[in-house]
Amino acid sequence: DIQMTQSPSTLSASVGDRVTITCRASQSITNWLAWYQQKPGKAPKLVIYKASSLESGVPSRFSGSGSGTEFTLTISSLQPDDFATYYCQQYNSSPWTFGQGTKVEVK
Amino acid sequence: EVQLVESGGGLVQPGGSLRLSCAASGFTFGRDYMTWVRQAPGKGLEWVATINQDGSEKRYVDSVKGRFTISRDNAKKSLYLQMNSLRDDDTAVYYCARLRVPATMSPFDYWGQGTQVTVSS
Repeated sequence: DIQMTQSPSTLSASVGDRVTITCRASQSITNWLAWYQQKPGKAPKLVIYKASSLESGVPSRFSGSGSGTEFTLTISSLQPDDFATYYCQQYNSSPWTFGQGTKVEVK
Repeated sequence: EVQLVESGGGLVQPGGSLRLSCAASGFTFGRDYMTWVRQAPGKGLEWVATINQDGSEKRYVDSVKGRFTISRDNAKKSLYLQMNSLRDDDTAVYYCARLRVPATMSPFDYWGQGTQVTVSS
């Protein structure tokens, strides 16, 4: 199975900050990587797919990059609505696996 | 508008069974792969099972193989998860979701609100 490791587990930031979350895969997944945002008590929401493609309706302050085994999600200027937990997911091969999550909290 | 609505969760004793349902609307259900993902209390997301358009291809995470069965009824626009021999560690919120493109190499673009399954004596 492909293991996905996110860092950090928790990130404290302020509105307006540039935020970067890293996701590493235990083996190459090319660019078959997605990022999801989840708020408490809600379903996950797709933010980025294919490592760098922005899902329709997602603000352009979100961006993704990387290939192979190392990926990043960047929020260029953190907004109040962005405080949430973010998960990466590989869909290169079954079983599809998620990172453990990164909680972006108010500093 | 795409909508996925899960139902069928509840409290069940270890060793018991439950059948989850997911009613789909707002898209051509029969054209899409569908999946179940779960989230244990305070934990991260775990993929459970995926099914292709006509049900001929099914995949499962190892921990549920032989106990859970994913199925679908395209005429009823519904996805199902039959869960047998339930264990304490199956306790989670179960989400149904759609794969963004009709292929296994696809993220999940629409999710239901989830249904709670609690396994406890």
